[in-house]
Amino acid sequence: DAKTTQPNSMESNEEEPVHLPCNHSTISGTDYIHWYRQLPSQGPEYVIHGLTSNVNNRMASLAIAEDRKSSTLILHRATLRDAAVYYCTVSVGVGNEKLTFGTGTRLTIIP
Amino acid sequence: DARVTQTPRHKVTEMGQEVTMRCQPILGHNTVFWYRQTMMQGLELLAYFRNRAPLDDSGMPKDRFSAEMPDATLATLKIQPSEPRDSAVYFCASGILGYYGYTFGSGTRLTVV
Repeated sequence: DAKTTQPNSMESNEEEPVHLPCNHSTISGTDYIHWYRQLPSQGPEYVIHGLTSNVNNRMASLAIAEDRKSSTLILHRATLRDAAVYYCTVSVGVGNEKLTFGTGTRLTIIP
Repeated sequence: DARVTQTPRHKVTEMGQEVTMRCQPILGHNTVFWYRQTMMQGLELLAYFRNRAPLDDSGMPKDRFSAEMPDATLATLKIQPSEPRDSAVYFCASGILGYYGYTFGSGTRLTVV
């Protein structure tokens, strides 16, 4: 399974953009890149996913490097409610449905 | 919003007892996952099902853990006998194959004393 590497923690000021990096150098050609986040005392929550092209949704943007060995989750304007652990993961399995999670990045938002 | 429902939310049991955790996936979701989360190990994938059939349970201790889907509306995770090292939060998640926005439940916090 492809392994992901993320910084243990990051801080950002409220209302500023946040760029959360992830390395996945062993990713295979058909593996999707996913981001989930986990707020305190809750289950993980889907944020975004992509294969090759950059992706945008109402929560965030996902920028994928051309060689696909790294990606960046972009929160365009961080709020205090975005404080969470953010997990970058790569899906594997017969239908690419299997997600295994690393240790994630704990994001702290400074008011 | 549709939710994945897990019961019980909290469970305290004595070592050696059987524990059963239940999950009601979102109606129409054909893929169900069981994860375990601890401070030391993080989120570990225990097992997952597609259309009620087990696809991968390699992350599960086979001697004491078992996972089943008796029907499309119920997934169960059993531990027999339970041990203190099984203390963790157990999450169930469901989704549709080919669509990757899996939905997680709120978890069952298990404490084995």
